Amino acid sequence: QQQVKQSPQSLIVQKGGISIINCAYENTAFDYFPWYQQFPGKGPALLIAIRPDVSEKKEGRFTISFNKSAKQFSLHIMDSQPGDSATYFCAASIDNQGGKLIFGQGTELSVKP
Amino acid sequence: GAVVSQHPSWVICKSGTSVKIECRSLDFQATTMFWYRQFPKQSLMLMATSNEGSKATYEQGVEKDKFLINHASLTLSTLTVTSAHPEDSSFYICSARSRGYGYTFGSGTRLTVV
Repeated sequence: QQQVKQSPQSLIVQKGGISIINCAYENTAFDYFPWYQQFPGKGPALLIAIRPDVSEKKEGRFTISFNKSAKQFSLHIMDSQPGDSATYFCAASIDNQGGKLIFGQGTELSVKP
Repeated sequence: GAVVSQHPSWVICKSGTSVKIECRSLDFQATTMFWYRQFPKQSLMLMATSNEGSKATYEQGVEKDKFLINHASLTLSTLTVTSAHPEDSSFYICSARSRGYGYTFGSGTRLTVV
């Protein structure tokens, strides 16, 4: 019930295309859903995050879509660029229970020029 | 913005020795710090959660006597890998949490035990 399932495991997108990564969760107590970008040999960096009272959040080329009833959320990267090539992780946490982040399995994104 | 400094960025040590990794929140006070371990091409696995001045809470399967965590202040947490063995070789990442900044991750430490 604490798991966050992420798909796909890897994704290849052409430059300018849309990258879409999906996550699903079981625990309805989760109340914070961030997405992280990680480059090789570096720590994860926060891209964008959402709380369950909002269905969509957009920051620049990055958009989170959140479907509370389906217990799913997704990351859309518009106009994907080669510099976006990295591993992306979704995560979830419960703020009032210590707040530990539960990570998805990760998606390795490659944007071809 | 919030910055978490993690040192060293990489370390090589001999089997049987101990290694200490430091994690500092530079411009904010962290209510909680987390330590993760990451194997190549895999996700982050939470090892333990620590709050300033109290004992760390370890995740199931993590040896607390092997991975010593000290959270001496609101800006500093350390992870000591004791009696390291080659199977402890991994990428270790800390994260600091604060009400104002959410979760901020360090840049990670690549540990190689030879």
